Amino acid sequence: AQSVTQLGSHVSVSEGALVLLRCNYSSSVPPYLFWYVQYPNQGLQLLLKYTSAATLVKGINGFEAEFKKSETSFHLTKPSAHMSDAAEYFCAVSDLRNDYKLSFGAGTTVTVRA
Amino acid sequence: DTEVTQTPKHLVMGMTNKKSLKCEQHMGHRAMYWYKQKAKKPPELMFVYSYEKLSINESVPSRFSPECPNSSLLNLHLHALQPEDSALYLCASSQEGNTIYFGEGSWLTVV
Repeated sequence: AQSVTQLGSHVSVSEGALVLLRCNYSSSVPPYLFWYVQYPNQGLQLLLKYTSAATLVKGINGFEAEFKKSETSFHLTKPSAHMSDAAEYFCAVSDLRNDYKLSFGAGTTVTVRA
Repeated sequence: DTEVTQTPKHLVMGMTNKKSLKCEQHMGHRAMYWYKQKAKKPPELMFVYSYEKLSINESVPSRFSPECPNSSLLNLHLHALQPEDSALYLCASSQEGNTIYFGEGSWLTVV
């Protein structure tokens, strides 16, 4: 069965610093991988997705993620944090064997210090 | 345009009330979903409709009743809910086997 592990339930960064959110997945078949962001009191917004094309995926708001099959990882990065990046971030995986149902990680809360 | 629209944004209901949550998408997606999300937790899948037919029910209590009137609309009928059902209810849609897009959610409080 597919699953996702997000390392670190809470990440605090200074404004302008690197944001790194870690995600490891397990899947018995080639996965689709996603990062979603949830701002306070809002729904989930797709940041970026990996669907077996380029391993380095660029998303919205300056975020990018790299798919590393050998490490079963899909870490999310942003070179310079902005105050508006404060939110909850979810990594998710889906695959054909599970009818493309999304399995979410537990989430990582990002706070940005001025 | 990747928009899923949900109404109402906020709903307060008593345990004996009957109410409905509504969802609409005009992206031509053939799959629609209901998720439940509690605070500080990831969304949990409740139901999946594929081509207007219920394809997945994740053992959801019968006090939640989904309905898909057409390919663009999805409803969630609520009856005799419990306070622990208070949560954010998220609607989503996708082309089958592809990216799932979420709405802004409906905040439900059961009193």
